[in-house]
Amino acid sequence: QSALTQPASVSGSPGQSITISCSGTSSDVGDYNHVSWYQQHPGKAPKLIIFDVSNRPSGVSHRFSGSKSVTTASLTISGLQPEDEADYFCSSYTGTTTLVVFGGGTKLTVL
Amino acid sequence: QLQLQESGPGLVKPSETLSLTCTVSGGSITSSSYFWGWIRQPPGKGLEWLGNVYYSGGTYYNPSLKSRVTISVDSSKNQFSLRLTSVTAGDTAVYYCARQSEINYWFDPWGQGTLVTVSS
Repeated sequence: QSALTQPASVSGSPGQSITISCSGTSSDVGDYNHVSWYQQHPGKAPKLIIFDVSNRPSGVSHRFSGSKSVTTASLTISGLQPEDEADYFCSSYTGTTTLVVFGGGTKLTVL
Repeated sequence: QLQLQESGPGLVKPSETLSLTCTVSGGSITSSSYFWGWIRQPPGKGLEWLGNVYYSGGTYYNPSLKSRVTISVDSSKNQFSLRLTSVTAGDTAVYYCARQSEINYWFDPWGQGTLVTVSS
């Protein structure tokens, strides 16, 4: 199972909105709504910020939102803040014994 | 609050076996609707799912590693473990353990991670 495709980097200024894409196939993102997003600060463990395409766990800021269109999922961060600077990874259920695949990660820089 | 903590050697020689343990605290590893999984991250690279185990012992493995990886659970100690045989430099990574939803397949929470270096 191939990894999901994410842009290597995105950037934005404080207060702006950015969107990170996560491209999959009809066998993973396109076939299931079990897409999750994780935020990882340097030297830290990943943190779940979105599950099932667009759901936020308790305690996650409303500035984080998710969506999906066909085989591409997206993470949007609105009102960018300096603390949002981190790596972001997507993952998807695959329905096979591989269970889940991850994207390669996107580095967000807040200018 | 559920917490996970990885433990094990930080240095493994090529061709030997990497062994790590994840200790779960603040909750029971026998909770239904959850798997217990291992994910790794080579330095500067992305995440790779290695496999998971259910409290009953049932397992799923990444096919790319299936012949080398074994994940087991010890409910009496509230722990689960990873064994990766015949390691090479390519297995150098930060290894994370995490709870995985059996229903939604998300990972949360994660352990802090442990760096394992494969080198002679």
